[in-house]
Amino acid sequence: GDSVTQMEGPVTLSEEAFLTINCTYTATGYPSLFWYVQYPGEGLQLLLKATKADDKGSNKGFEATYRKETTSFHLEKGSVQVSDSAVYFCALTTGTASKLTFGTGTRLQVTL
Amino acid sequence: NAGVTQTPKFQVLKTGQSMTLQCAQDMNHEYMSWYRQDPGMGLRLIHYSVGAGITDQGEVPNGYNVSRSTTEDFPLRLLSAAPSQTSVYFCASSYSRGGYEQYFGPGTRLTVT
Repeated sequence: GDSVTQMEGPVTLSEEAFLTINCTYTATGYPSLFWYVQYPGEGLQLLLKATKADDKGSNKGFEATYRKETTSFHLEKGSVQVSDSAVYFCALTTGTASKLTFGTGTRLQVTL
Repeated sequence: NAGVTQTPKFQVLKTGQSMTLQCAQDMNHEYMSWYRQDPGMGLRLIHYSVGAGITDQGEVPNGYNVSRSTTEDFPLRLLSAAPSQTSVYFCASSYSRGGYEQYFGPGTRLTVT
């Protein structure tokens, strides 16, 4: 079956540091890939997505590139802010359905 | 648009009690789903629906029932609550075709004692 593996957290960074959160996947067919973010006490919201190989999703300074050859979709940001502190989930869907398969989430804590 | 709404926000049940978690969306989305979120396990799919009158099981369906009589509403019923069902429950909706983002509700925090 489909699966998503994310690096374990928590990840603690100083403000303005570079962020990478690794995500790899196993899927049948050609998945669409997503990063969702969950701020404390809230539901999940879409951060960015990519629907085919070599696509780059970007939003709010975050980027991720769909790498079919390495089955990866790593999340990056050049300079994190305290307001980026949240839990980040990598996820995928395959086929024609919208069922999401999630990774376990990575908590990011950014300090001054 | 209100998006995806869930009620209640918090609930405490005793073992064996039943209850219904409500979910509604006003975006005319065909697809709706229920997830539970547990520490260290991400979100796991409980049940989903691709349209009114059509539902199917996800990864962890035991102990839960769903029905979809309208496009807007997708309630989740706990038949006989157990402590293992203590979790945060999220409802989500989207267009059915793959590649479309899912919109999530704010969640219901359920504690079963």
